Amino acid sequence: KAGVTQTPRYLIKTRGQQVTLSCSPISGHRSVSWYQQTPGQGLQFLFEYFSETQRNKGNFPGRFSGRQFSNSRSEMNVSTLELGDSALYLCASSLVELAASSGANVLTFGAGSRLTVL
Amino acid sequence: GNSVTQMEGPVTLSEEAFLTINCTYTATGYPSLFWYVQYPGEGLQLLLKATKADDKGSNKGFEATYRKETTSFHLEKGSVQVSDSAVYFCALSDGTNAGKSTFGDGTTLTVKP
Repeated sequence: KAGVTQTPRYLIKTRGQQVTLSCSPISGHRSVSWYQQTPGQGLQFLFEYFSETQRNKGNFPGRFSGRQFSNSRSEMNVSTLELGDSALYLCASSLVELAASSGANVLTFGAGSRLTVL
Repeated sequence: GNSVTQMEGPVTLSEEAFLTINCTYTATGYPSLFWYVQYPGEGLQLLLKATKADDKGSNKGFEATYRKETTSFHLEKGSVQVSDSAVYFCALSDGTNAGKSTFGDGTTLTVKP
């Protein structure tokens, strides 16, 4: 069973540019979430998509956006890059269960896309 | 809102030493609790989980018990190995949204031979 695949793994951009990151979830997983990981802030939730709809959004500026396609693949975009956007961006997929107490909210993470902004 | 507090690191141990990484949480309702591990250059992977009070999650010699009375989920291992060197994250999910979990800051463990 293929895991969560993120592309590209590494990229370098300059301030003011934009970037698009891609995530292919595990087959059958309909929920895709994005997290930003930095040494200073730890893991911060960006947003979650389910059935092509954004269900949740974290406290990030509007420069951060995403979308999900009908095959559950997801992309996130960051426009007008700033130095502080340098981070590891992690995508995670989850198998949605009906019962909130089922404990099935296990996240399966990809290896991440490491973005460096110069 | 939900929050997770982990003991500050880094933690350095000798091989075969006992490991404890403390984790406490704040959440409404009855969250599920998780420990994830991140090896260098990789994403996070699930180590163990517990979904209700007094549940014990275990995997690869690691254990953690869901203590509702103390709102804790401490990670333990009786004898660590060099290969256990990694960053460990405590996390919770309140079950309302599949993809949104709240993570602690992570604890870096280094095991020396």
